[in-house]
Amino acid sequence: QKEVEQDPGPLSVPEGAIVSLNCTYSNSAFQYFMWYRQYSRKGPELLMYTYSSGNKEDGRFTAQVDKSSKYISLFIRDSQPSDSATYLCAMSGGSSASKIIFGSGTRLSIRP
Amino acid sequence: NAGVTQTPKFQVLKTGQSMTLQCAQDMNHEYMSWYRQDPGMGLRLIHYSVGAGITDQGEVPNGYNVSRSTTEDFPLRLLSAAPSQTSVYFCASSLGWRMPPTNEQFFGPGTRLTVL
Repeated sequence: QKEVEQDPGPLSVPEGAIVSLNCTYSNSAFQYFMWYRQYSRKGPELLMYTYSSGNKEDGRFTAQVDKSSKYISLFIRDSQPSDSATYLCAMSGGSSASKIIFGSGTRLSIRP
Repeated sequence: NAGVTQTPKFQVLKTGQSMTLQCAQDMNHEYMSWYRQDPGMGLRLIHYSVGAGITDQGEVPNGYNVSRSTTEDFPLRLLSAAPSQTSVYFCASSLGWRMPPTNEQFFGPGTRLTVL
């Protein structure tokens, strides 16, 4: 079983929709949770990070962590065509503190 | 700052050949890492380094070697290329490695490798 599971999609929604992207994980020692965004043929870039359970908001983006369920989410409000990309969750912490483990990524397309 | 640079951008190898993928960063980052990205598999960690002279294995280290003789450079060596190593390889660096935001990974542009 992979440590981090992510639905690969693809996910296609109309412009303006609310998007929900999710990851589950099995390692309860993970403490830090990150979302990276990757445009086609580019390297990933950090979008948001959180330390603990709860919500963190940054503009149209909200990251949510539920450590009891080992489940994290990224919500995108008022989605724009420029949000079309692959979104990867990533985690680290505990005995794996020096390793960042990525999910497989969800490919998102926003239709104008 | 050039950030993280990788060479070459593209490479085709025959089975059994060896080669080195180059990675350099000019941000004085302590942590450097190599990932491979395959369809449906996401980014998988190959090797990483928490400082010059220190390297360790990631999730998929077999068939690859690394060394870190300077802070700036972290080359990845393919010892005897196999078709299963066909992938996109990303080098990344970060200021630190313990927690965000210092462990924010800055990625290079990637090397697309095909092994025939």
